[in-house]
Amino acid sequence: TQLLEQSPQFLSIQEGENLTVYCNSSSVFSSLQWYRQEPGEGPVLLVTVVTGGEVKKLKRLTFQFGDARKDSSLHITAAQPGDTGLYLCAGGRAGANSKLTFGKGITLSVRP
Amino acid sequence: NAGVTQTPKFRILKIGQSMTLQCTQDMNHNYMYWYRQDPGMGLKLIYYSVGAGITDKGEVPNGYNVSRSTTEDFPLRLELAAPSQTSVYFCASSYPPPGQGYYNEQFFGPGTRLTVL
Repeated sequence: TQLLEQSPQFLSIQEGENLTVYCNSSSVFSSLQWYRQEPGEGPVLLVTVVTGGEVKKLKRLTFQFGDARKDSSLHITAAQPGDTGLYLCAGGRAGANSKLTFGKGITLSVRP
Repeated sequence: NAGVTQTPKFRILKIGQSMTLQCTQDMNHNYMYWYRQDPGMGLKLIYYSVGAGITDKGEVPNGYNVSRSTTEDFPLRLELAAPSQTSVYFCASSYPPPGQGYYNEQFFGPGTRLTVL
């Protein structure tokens, strides 16, 4: 079983602070995705990283895929209340019938 | 495009009752999935389908059944509801695999919150 461990499980910060959260595995993935889920809604894809060492930016969010493709980080600069939500990482393997392995998620609360 | 739609949004069942959770997508995606989400446990795959007429079990299939008669629809059936099936259920779909560059980026519906009492 390929497991994805996310940390920390919960994070509560003040608006304007910076934060980094992690997604780690002992297995290699061909791709890693980050989703954000707001209360009462389904997850929404933020980014997919596929190359070891790859860095992608989405406004104030910076995503990095580890060199060995076993881990990933998400850094948020100057967090805003709109960033509040559950952040899920998911690892996948390219190819037919591929399925995603999801982590348990990180609950982020940004206080005004 | 409406994307992925799910009905109902909420439902309360009594133990032993049955129901069908509906899922429809209008993006012409071949792949569709059913997940359940329990607090602090992430998403667990129940069943998935790679195309009309083809379904397969995921990580937690016991107590559920699915069918896929069309590309658009992927209903999930609970035959004998049990309290352990209290959860939020999400349907998702993803692109057909074009060969290179397919990474199973999934589009999720809004979910069905099911309570079994």
